[in-house]
Amino acid sequence: QKEVEQNSGPLSVPEGAIASLNCTYSDRGSQSFFWYRQYSGKSPELIMSIYSNGDKEDGRFTAQLNKASQYVSLLIRDSQPSDSATYLCAVNRVTDKLIFGTGTRLQVFP
Amino acid sequence: GAVVSQHPSRVICKSGTSVKIECRSLDFQATTMFWYRQFPKQSLMLMATSNEGSKATYEQGVEKDKFLINHASLTLSTLTVTSAHPEDSSFYICSALVARGRQAFFGQGTRLTVV
Repeated sequence: QKEVEQNSGPLSVPEGAIASLNCTYSDRGSQSFFWYRQYSGKSPELIMSIYSNGDKEDGRFTAQLNKASQYVSLLIRDSQPSDSATYLCAVNRVTDKLIFGTGTRLQVFP
Repeated sequence: GAVVSQHPSRVICKSGTSVKIECRSLDFQATTMFWYRQFPKQSLMLMATSNEGSKATYEQGVEKDKFLINHASLTLSTLTVTSAHPEDSSFYICSALVARGRQAFFGQGTRLTVV
């Protein structure tokens, strides 16, 4: 079992729709959870971080964490073509290395 | 957010030569930095953890004599790819933890091409 699992996609959604990205992790000791966006040929860019169960909203983005189910998700509302990228889920224990999933490629079509 | 600067952004080198990549934390002190490698259409794979003032910790399967890591100060970590070969061509990215490990920021990445 991979430490952090994501569906590779591509996930295709129309402009204006909600994109839902999912991630599961295996280490119950994980304490910090991150979503990064990576455009082709570029370095990852931090979008959201979440540390406790529940939802965390920031603009069009909402991260959801369920530690009991070892599940973290990212919702993107009002998806735009500029949101088309690969979204990486990452987890770590505090002060420890980040473990990344393989990423989900999102395509937002006009 | 915190700024991590990586240099160079692109480098082309001949097979058998060595290449040094620098990673600097510009507005904070980073006791720990991480080096990742990413092949096309694949995820980031952690190569090693760089600790200021001590030896780096390498992930399984990463040759420590080939990928030399030096973290001589709280703001600079370097990765040297020694005797580079075409299969070392990849995107190398450094990152640093901030806020007591609660966030990680990445450098811009270095595209290495070995010819």
